Amino acid sequence: ETGVTQTPRHLVMGMTNKKSLKCEQHLGHNAMYWYKQSAKKPLELMFVYSLEERVENNSVPSRFSPECPNSSHLFLHLHTLQPEDSALYLCASSQDKRGGTGELFFGEGSRLTVL
Amino acid sequence: GENVEQHPSTLSVQEGDSAVIKCTYSDSASNYFPWYKQELGKGPQLIIDIRSNVGEKKDQRIAVTLNKTAKHFSLHITETQPEDSAVYFCAANNFNKFYFGSGTKLNVKP
Repeated sequence: ETGVTQTPRHLVMGMTNKKSLKCEQHLGHNAMYWYKQSAKKPLELMFVYSLEERVENNSVPSRFSPECPNSSHLFLHLHTLQPEDSALYLCASSQDKRGGTGELFFGEGSRLTVL
Repeated sequence: GENVEQHPSTLSVQEGDSAVIKCTYSDSASNYFPWYKQELGKGPQLIIDIRSNVGEKKDQRIAVTLNKTAKHFSLHITETQPEDSAVYFCAANNFNKFYFGSGTKLNVKP
């Protein structure tokens, strides 16, 4: 148990569906992240929120929409996805501080399959 | 931006042998280097890390070395056990951004 909880663990959706992934961290951290993990590729950073403000958006298509209502919760809203969006989506959190970052803790991931 | 390269992509060792995984990075501003272990169906778990003011760090059977001049760092696992079988990722951090290597699949044969 890393203190970062993701739901659902598995999701199958059609290209016209709308769904959301949820992440909750119980570590008191001030930064939260969404990563995409595809087979045989490095982890791809999608979004970063620091103190509930989005500080990073790595050219992610608009069909992915993040939301961070508070420092403990992070959502990834999905709509009109493509089959190539099938992947493991990982949430992570850290305690950012002046002069450097703290450790990055990951959740177990949400395995997304787009049909 | 930072570029992290990791080698080898797969590594097979006999139980009890040592395993070494190597990473290089490109940005001299990177100052924090964690290693993660990812088991099947789970998220990456931090196993050891090192900061740029330290050259080596050890925790039981695992150790990490850092050569800032050459911009490379390595993970060493001694006396490997079957439960060490997993995918291992290195990462480099600067300005609060993490950059990951592509992973090494370690198989420890009993």
